[in-house]
Amino acid sequence: DIVMTQSPDSLAVSLGERATINCKSTQSILYSSNNKNYLAWYQQKPGQPPKLLIYWASTRESGVPDRFSGSGSGTDFTLSISSLQAEDVAVYYCQQYYTSPYSFGQGTKLEIK
Amino acid sequence: QVQLQQWGAGLLKPSETVSLTCVVYGGSFSGYYWNWIRQPPGKGLEWIGELNHSGSTNYNPSLKSRVTISVDTSKNHFSLKVSSVTAADTAVYYCARGRTGSYFHYNYMDVWGKGTTVTVSS
Repeated sequence: DIVMTQSPDSLAVSLGERATINCKSTQSILYSSNNKNYLAWYQQKPGQPPKLLIYWASTRESGVPDRFSGSGSGTDFTLSISSLQAEDVAVYYCQQYYTSPYSFGQGTKLEIK
Repeated sequence: QVQLQQWGAGLLKPSETVSLTCVVYGGSFSGYYWNWIRQPPGKGLEWIGELNHSGSTNYNPSLKSRVTISVDTSKNHFSLKVSSVTAADTAVYYCARGRTGSYFHYNYMDVWGKGTTVTVSS
């Protein structure tokens, strides 16, 4: 099974500053046949289900603000929030969908400093 | 706009079977995968299994022996059963739609239900 590990577990960033969350997989999730990284990022606010932010490692879901961006390839990925807003306080999860069982990172809790 | 509405029994005793249903409103059932994911209190997300519109299923091996996911396309709903539950099965259970491709199989979740809290306690 592929294990996803996020860092850090928690992060405090000042409003307007950049937040960066990392995600690492135990094996490459880049599929050579289509040259796509099978990685998604989700945002979960308290009492709510997760919300899809990014798929294919860097494609923003419709309606997601452009301050959210994803990057990386192979085994190492990053979610960046360019200018943190108060409404971005949440737990963020990465997920690999390269192979079953699909797996999530343990989550990174993002707070305001 | 697609919405998923889910329901099911919330309080069970050890050894019982949890049964949850998720109804798909406002969208097609075909062309997608349909997932169950759970989240124990204060913890992360665990994928339970997937099903497509034709009823083909795929389960997480960690739960496979106790899990059944089924579909009723005439009613636009799919269901989850987890048998022989213990306290470790206490969690919020989510249903979610998974996008996939016609040529390549993939499954990332773009629409989620609101979640059903399942508590197992004697």
